[in-house]
Amino acid sequence: EDKVVQSPLSLVVHEGDTVTLNCSYEVTNFRSLLWYKQEKKAPTFLFMLTSSGIEKKSGRLSSILDKKELFSILNITATQTGDSAIYLCAYSGGSNYKLTFGKGTLLTVNP
Amino acid sequence: NAGVTQTPKFQVLKTGQSMTLQCAQDMNHNSMYWYRQDPGMGLRLIYYSASEGTTDKGEVPNGYNVSRLNKREFSLRLESAAPSQTSVYFCASSEAKNYGYTFGSGTRLTVV
Repeated sequence: EDKVVQSPLSLVVHEGDTVTLNCSYEVTNFRSLLWYKQEKKAPTFLFMLTSSGIEKKSGRLSSILDKKELFSILNITATQTGDSAIYLCAYSGGSNYKLTFGKGTLLTVNP
Repeated sequence: NAGVTQTPKFQVLKTGQSMTLQCAQDMNHNSMYWYRQDPGMGLRLIYYSASEGTTDKGEVPNGYNVSRLNKREFSLRLESAAPSQTSVYFCASSEAKNYGYTFGSGTRLTVV
């Protein structure tokens, strides 16, 4: 059965720290791996990683995909209180394009 | 830009009552999805519709039905609500070929 596992489930850091969030997956017919940020409402899209794009960067956030070891990481440098959120990892695989999500990592950034 | 619109935003039901959650998207996406989110459980797929006229079960379909009314609208129905269906429900849509989802703002449902 396809699955995605995120770690840690929760994390508390101080402003300015660097954090690394992990996502490992076991999936047949891998298409893409996505990261979302969820604050109080709906998830918002961060990155999509595919076979042709295994590293993405946007400001203080970056993500890589290791297709050999079947994991992805999301890095956040110089964290700010506004980075506090649930970070969700999801994969797309199989014969359709539906996403299967991990349980998420709750990140709390304290001032 | 409305994107994905869900109604209602909040709802309280008594056990055994029925209701329909509405979802509409204006991005001409082919695929639409219903997820539920419970604390510590991430997002779990209830039903999805890969294209107009088709629907398929997801990970947790029991107790729910769906209707893909047309390309824009995808509704989720609870025929006889149970306390275990207390959750936040998200509708989403996407275009195929690895594109990420666009989510609605969610419906917080409480069944007492």
